Amino acid sequence: NAGVTQTPKFQVLKTGQSMTLQCAQDMNHNSMYWYRQDPGMGLRLIYYSASEGTTDKGEVPNGYNVSRLNKREFSLRLESAAPSQTSVYFCASSEIPNAEKLFFGSGTQLSVL
Amino acid sequence: DQQVKQNSPSLSVQEGRISILNCDYTNSMFDYFLWYKKYPAEGPTFLISISSIKDKNEDGRFTVFLNKSAKHLSLHIVPSQPGDSAVYFCAASATTSGTYKYIFGTGTRLKVLA
Repeated sequence: NAGVTQTPKFQVLKTGQSMTLQCAQDMNHNSMYWYRQDPGMGLRLIYYSASEGTTDKGEVPNGYNVSRLNKREFSLRLESAAPSQTSVYFCASSEIPNAEKLFFGSGTQLSVL
Repeated sequence: DQQVKQNSPSLSVQEGRISILNCDYTNSMFDYFLWYKKYPAEGPTFLISISSIKDKNEDGRFTVFLNKSAKHLSLHIVPSQPGDSAVYFCAASATTSGTYKYIFGTGTRLKVLA
C-alpha cells in the first residue's frame, strides 16, 4: 500500500520554466491538498480539492494552478517558475467526512534558479 | 497573519523527561486540532488530534491538552525518547465550514538528548 506518491522527488528549474508536480493516492480518499514548506514558515496550503471535480485556493495560491484529474490524482503546475517558488512541496489526502487526519507524501524538493 | 503559531522554534529535553510543545491560534472558528511529526526528508505523519468538545486526548506517551478560552493547545510527551527527535507541527481546521482546510503552525524542532 503506497499511500500518497509524489513525483518527482527533486527538480531544478530555471526562472520562467514550467513544470507539473504529480500526486496520486491509493486510499480512495476524497480530498487532496498541496502544501509548501519553507524555513520559518511551516506548511502553507497552496490549493486543495475537497472532492473530485472541485478545487479551491488555499493560503498562497498565486503562481500555481491545479488539476484534480480523477479521484486518485491531483497535480500542481507552475506556469512560469520564480525563485520565490523554491520550496519543498507536499501533497496530502484525507477521507471525507472523517477528515481526522491528512496523509502526506514524501515531498518534492524544487529549486528555481 | 499567522492564525496558528508555534512560538518556540526549538526545544531540547533529556531522555526520560517530559517534552511540552505549545501552539496558539487566533481563529475562534477552529474546532479541530492535530499534531504532526516530521523527520528529515520525509512527509509529516499524523500523531494525535483533539476536537474542541474535549480538553484532553491521550494516546500512549502522547497527550494533547486544549484550552479553548486561551486558544492554546499543548502536546506532552512522557517519557521522551531519542526517537521522538523531529519537527512537530500543530494544525487547526474549522470543520463547520465544510472545507476541511488545515492551517499549520511553523513547527518546533524537538531534540531528545540521550
